[in-house]
Amino acid sequence: AQSVTQLDSHVSVSEGTPVLLRCNYSSSYSPSLFWYVQHPNKGLQLLLKYTSAATLVKGINGFEAEFKKSETSFHLTKPSAHMSDAAEYFCVVSEMDSSYKLIFGSGTRLLVRP
Amino acid sequence: DSGVTQTPKHLITATGQRVTLRCSPRSGDLSVYWYQQSLDQGLQFLIQYYNGEERAKGNILERFSAQQFPDLHSELNLSSLELGDSALYFCASSVRTGKNTGELFFGEGSRLTVL
Repeated sequence: AQSVTQLDSHVSVSEGTPVLLRCNYSSSYSPSLFWYVQHPNKGLQLLLKYTSAATLVKGINGFEAEFKKSETSFHLTKPSAHMSDAAEYFCVVSEMDSSYKLIFGSGTRLLVRP
Repeated sequence: DSGVTQTPKHLITATGQRVTLRCSPRSGDLSVYWYQQSLDQGLQFLIQYYNGEERAKGNILERFSAQQFPDLHSELNLSSLELGDSALYFCASSVRTGKNTGELFFGEGSRLTVL
């Protein structure tokens, strides 16, 4: 079975500083990996996805993630945090059976200090 | 706006009651997924329907059931409600093709409070 582990439940950064949200995955196959973001009282929105093309994936709002097979990692980064980035971020793997259901990590809450 | 519509947005009910949550997927999407988000369990996959047929089942309790109708909208029925069923219930949809990339489009959720 596929799974993801988000290594930090909370990350706090100052506005304008880099963001790093860590995720490790476990998969028997070449996985499809995603980062989703959830703002307060909102649904989940796709930030970016990796589906075995380029290992460095660019997403919306300046976020990017790098797929590293040797480290089984898919960390999310952003060079400069903005106040509007404060939200919960989920690392997600797609099940490789016919359902394609998503398996979510436990989430990382990003706090951005002014 | 994801194009996925969920109703009601908020629902407060009592233990032992039954509720129905409704989801309209994005136009053209054949697959509907239900997820439960709670503080202690995180985001848990409940069930998936594809074009009216159940396709996959996750951690869905026997007190819960779902269906997808011919017009592709879906309903999640929760019965004999317990305090622990209080959660945010998300519906998501996708176009399921032979090489589905797995991206799901989520509604804004139905927040259920059981008192």
